[in-house]
Amino acid sequence: NAGVMQNPRHLVRRRGQEARLRCSPMKGHSHVYWYRQLPEEGLKFMVYLQKENIIDESGMPKERFSAEFPKEGPSILRIQQVVRGDSAAYFCASSPGEGARYGLETQYFGPGTRLLVL
Amino acid sequence: AQKITQTQPGMFVQEKEAVTLDCTYDTSDQSYGLFWYKQPSSGEMIFLIYQGSYDEQNATEGRYSLNFQKARKSANLVISASQLGDSAMYFCAMREVRGTSYGKLTFGQGTILTVHP
Repeated sequence: NAGVMQNPRHLVRRRGQEARLRCSPMKGHSHVYWYRQLPEEGLKFMVYLQKENIIDESGMPKERFSAEFPKEGPSILRIQQVVRGDSAAYFCASSPGEGARYGLETQYFGPGTRLLVL
Repeated sequence: AQKITQTQPGMFVQEKEAVTLDCTYDTSDQSYGLFWYKQPSSGEMIFLIYQGSYDEQNATEGRYSLNFQKARKSANLVISASQLGDSAMYFCAMREVRGTSYGKLTFGQGTILTVHP
């Protein structure tokens, strides 16, 4: 009974390169969320996706960041032209998507991807 | 204004004792959910317990219970019979159901719990 899977677990990039972070939700879950955790801070919401739909991207930086959750395959968080300030842990979470509107759903988190920008 | 406030940066407890981690929240919604997560030093986020705003009973999950005081807007986590493995960062989070923001969890800054033998 696999949980939320994220890969890679650790990613090192040089400034200006692209970072691609992958997330496979738990079986039966159709909603995916991405969060970022800067050192010594709590998690900050970035984006909420359903299959082929972005529901809420209010936490996404306006430039360089994008996310998708295609009909087939994992959700991808893409960071173009990375800068040192992008160094953080990026967590993906998933939920079934049935009780979303009533705050009923627990989000289950993956192990995170630690991005280090040199 | 902070949506979620955890006023205790660090807490210490003796093994087998109970400990309360504080969390207050701010929302004008009537319908919302409150969550606690544990983040050990290995870094993963582990779901512990959930309380819905309409739930009349305090949530309990094994050694974890949530002391929900709606009028005070507090949702404190109580860990009974602390174990060494409880040493970790603990985050309180809230999920509101307003508009398209109903998906996001808003997290507090966290409390580092250290359990002494």
